[in-house]
This record gives sequence, structure tokens and C-alpha cells, in this order.
Amino acid sequence: NAGVMQNPRHLVRRRGQEARLRCSPVKGHSHVYWYRQLPEEGLKFMVYLQKENIIDESGMPKERFSAEFPKEGPSILRIQQVVRGDSAAYFCASSLKPGLAVNEQFFGPGTRLTVL
Amino acid sequence: AQTVTQSQPEMSVQEAETVTLSCTYDTSESDYYLFWYKQPPSRQMILVIRQEAYKQQNATENRFSVNFQKAAKSFSLKISDSQLGDAAMYFCAYRFSGGGADGLTFGKGTHLIIQP
Repeated sequence: NAGVMQNPRHLVRRRGQEARLRCSPVKGHSHVYWYRQLPEEGLKFMVYLQKENIIDESGMPKERFSAEFPKEGPSILRIQQVVRGDSAAYFCASSLKPGLAVNEQFFGPGTRLTVL
Repeated sequence: AQTVTQSQPEMSVQEAETVTLSCTYDTSESDYYLFWYKQPPSRQMILVIRQEAYKQQNATENRFSVNFQKAAKSFSLKISDSQLGDAAMYFCAYRFSGGGADGLTFGKGTHLIIQP
């Protein structure tokens, strides 16, 4: 069984460009989470999505960042007009059903974004 | 808001010895889950062990066990018979068990070094 897939694994952008990060959840999982890990830090929750719905975006910066999880296809985290401070590792996780007693989140390998 | 604190930025242990990693958290909720994740140099997040707050019995997974003190809001990880493959960053994480707030809150991590 394939785990969570993220691509690209490494992404380099110049300031002002757009970054698109993709996440394909574990087959059968309909819940996706995005986290950001700055250097020397733990992961910080950004957004939680179900198919076609944003459930919790309390950790998402108000400007330039957006996320979607369409009915078909991967989840996309989009960062417009990137700045150097956006350089980080971005992790996606997926889960089967949050109502389970312990909703284990399976993590992808991350996308390392470098902004020049 | 919930916070997770790992007060040990780095720990070192001899191979085959036992080491304990500390974690404290702050929450006003009574029902939640706690996790320890391992992040090796590959950056892949791997779930090591989890604990449901309503369970008094400490979780155990082979050489990994926790000491969960709910009143003290403490959740330490004990690794017995340390192996070279245990070298990694270890992150403590919290998740509220209520619906709609499934994002994990992570500590800053402890870098575990295994001395051969």
C-alpha cells in the first residue's frame, strides 16, 4: 500500500513566485492536514481539509496561503508571492476518519521549499 | 491554546542504555491524545507511541514506553536498550479529542544521539 505521497520533494522559488505543493493521501483516506516545519522547530499545524471542504484553517497565514482538496486529485497547498520566510519543510498527513478513538495521522516525506 | 514543551534540546545515551525524554503540555481539556513521533535524518515523521488521556495505564510498544502523569500534564518517553537506529529527533504532540480540531500541536523536539 502506498503511503502519503508528496511532490515535489524539493522546490526552489525566487521571491515573488508561486509555489504549489501537492499531497496524495493514503488510498481511502479523505482527511488531509498540512504542517510547516521551520529550521530547528517542531511542526506547526496549518490547515485541515476534507474532500472539497476546509474544516480548520486556524494555523494558516491570512495572506498568500491557500489550500484545497478537490473531489478528484491531490490536495494542493499554494503559496503566492513567496518570501524568504516561507522557506521551510511542508508536511502533509492523512487520516481515515477523525471519529475513530485514535485518529492516527500518516505523514508524507515532506516538501522542502527554498526561496532565493 | 494548547502548548507542548520539550525542555531538552539534545540528549545523548550510550548504546544499550536507557534514556528518558521529557514532555509537558498545557490544556484545559480533559479528553485528548498524546503522541511521540520520531524524525530521522530522512525527515519522515514516524509514529512511535500514543496515549489516550482517559486511560490510566501507560502505553508500551516494545522498547518504548511512556510515563503519563495527567495531573502534572507530563508525558515522558522511555527508550530501553537504545540502538543506533534510535538516533533521531523526537517530537511530543497533543491532539484534542473533540471533533473539528484534529490538528496536532508539536513540541520543538529533542535531538537524541546514540553513542556506540
